[in-house]
Amino acid sequence: DIQMTQSPASLSASVGDRVSITCRASQTIITYLNWYQQKPGEAPKLLIYAASNLQSGVPSRFSGSGSGTDFTLTISSLQREDLATYYCQQSYGSSITFGQGTRLDIK
Amino acid sequence: QVQLQESGPGLVKPSETLSLSCTVSGGSIIGYYWTWIRQPPGKGLEWIANIGYTGTTDYNSSLKSRVTISLDTPKNQVSLRLNSVTAADTAVYYCARIQSPPGQHYHYMDVWGKGTSVTVSS
Repeated sequence: DIQMTQSPASLSASVGDRVSITCRASQTIITYLNWYQQKPGEAPKLLIYAASNLQSGVPSRFSGSGSGTDFTLTISSLQREDLATYYCQQSYGSSITFGQGTRLDIK
Repeated sequence: QVQLQESGPGLVKPSETLSLSCTVSGGSIIGYYWTWIRQPPGKGLEWIANIGYTGTTDYNSSLKSRVTISLDTPKNQVSLRLNSVTAADTAVYYCARIQSPPGQHYHYMDVWGKGTSVTVSS
């Protein structure tokens, strides 16, 4: 199975900061990489699909980049409502795997 | 818009079989793939299984021997059965719709249910 490794495991940032979360795959997954946001007590929500495509209704401060094995989720100007855990997920092949998650706190 | 609602027993005894249902409203299960994901308390997301509307299935290799995913087209439901449960199967179980744009090989989970909590305990 393809392993997905996210970093950092947690981070704390201030409102207005630019925040980046990285995800590395154990083998190439081309651009078959999605990002989800999970707020406390809620189901995950799709943010970015196919590495860089913004899901409808998601604020434009969220963006994704990368290909092959290395990917990045960026929040251009952090807002209080962005407090959440973020997961990457690969959809290469028939087996799906998630990263371990990155917990984002607001200072 | 499409909404998903999971349902289950809440509490299951060790060694018993867990049965979950996901009812799809506002749209048809036909034409899509569907998936089950679980999340143990305080931990990350774990993929369990996928099923397509033609009945094609894929399973997490670590759970494959205990899991069955199925569709009930007349009821517009996706079901999951997990045999021989242990405390390690305690989790919130989510169903989600898989979106796969025509002509593309990538796919993503664009609609999720709120999840149903399952505790395995005697």
